Amino acid sequence: QKEVEQNSGPLSVPEGAIASLNCTYSDRGSQSFFWYRQYSGKSPELIMFIYSNGDKEDGRFTAQLNKASQYVSLLIRDSQPSDSATYLCAVNGAAGNKLTFGGGTRVLVKP
Amino acid sequence: DGGITQSPKYLFRKEGQNVTLSCEQNLNHDAMYWYRQDPGQGLRLIYYSQIVNDFQKGDIAEGYSVSREKKESFPLTVTSAQKNPTAFYLCASSMSQAYYEQYFGPGTRLTVT
Repeated sequence: QKEVEQNSGPLSVPEGAIASLNCTYSDRGSQSFFWYRQYSGKSPELIMFIYSNGDKEDGRFTAQLNKASQYVSLLIRDSQPSDSATYLCAVNGAAGNKLTFGGGTRVLVKP
Repeated sequence: DGGITQSPKYLFRKEGQNVTLSCEQNLNHDAMYWYRQDPGQGLRLIYYSQIVNDFQKGDIAEGYSVSREKKESFPLTVTSAQKNPTAFYLCASSMSQAYYEQYFGPGTRLTVT
């Protein structure tokens, strides 16, 4: 079992709809959770981080964390074609000294 | 402007040659990291450094070496011992090891033939 798992996609979403991305992790002691957006050929860009159970909203993005079920999700509201990218989930484990990345979910927003 | 720079953007080498990738940051961050990304894959940690003159192996350190002589700089050498060196190499930094948000440079795409 991979430490951090994501559906590779592609997740196809109509413009204006909500894109829902999920990430599960294996280290129950994980403390910090991050979502990065990566456009093709570019480096990852940090868009959200969450440390506590519940929801955290930033603009059109909402991160949701459920430590008991060991999953973290990202919602993108009012999806735009510019949101088409690969979204990487990263988790800081119990040891606290490094991030482990999932393989990423590719999102395609169709006009 | 504060940020992380990596050079060059594209690098081509012949098999058997060592090559050094540059990473510089002016964010005053203590911690720096090197990752490798293969097509369609997530990021894998090669080496990281929490403080000057100290660094630790990540998950795939074999065939790579690093140094951290200055806070601003964390160069990565890809040696001839690395069996599959062709990849996208990403450098990142964070304020300290205790601050987990990592920010990435633009990356170096290395091709070895």
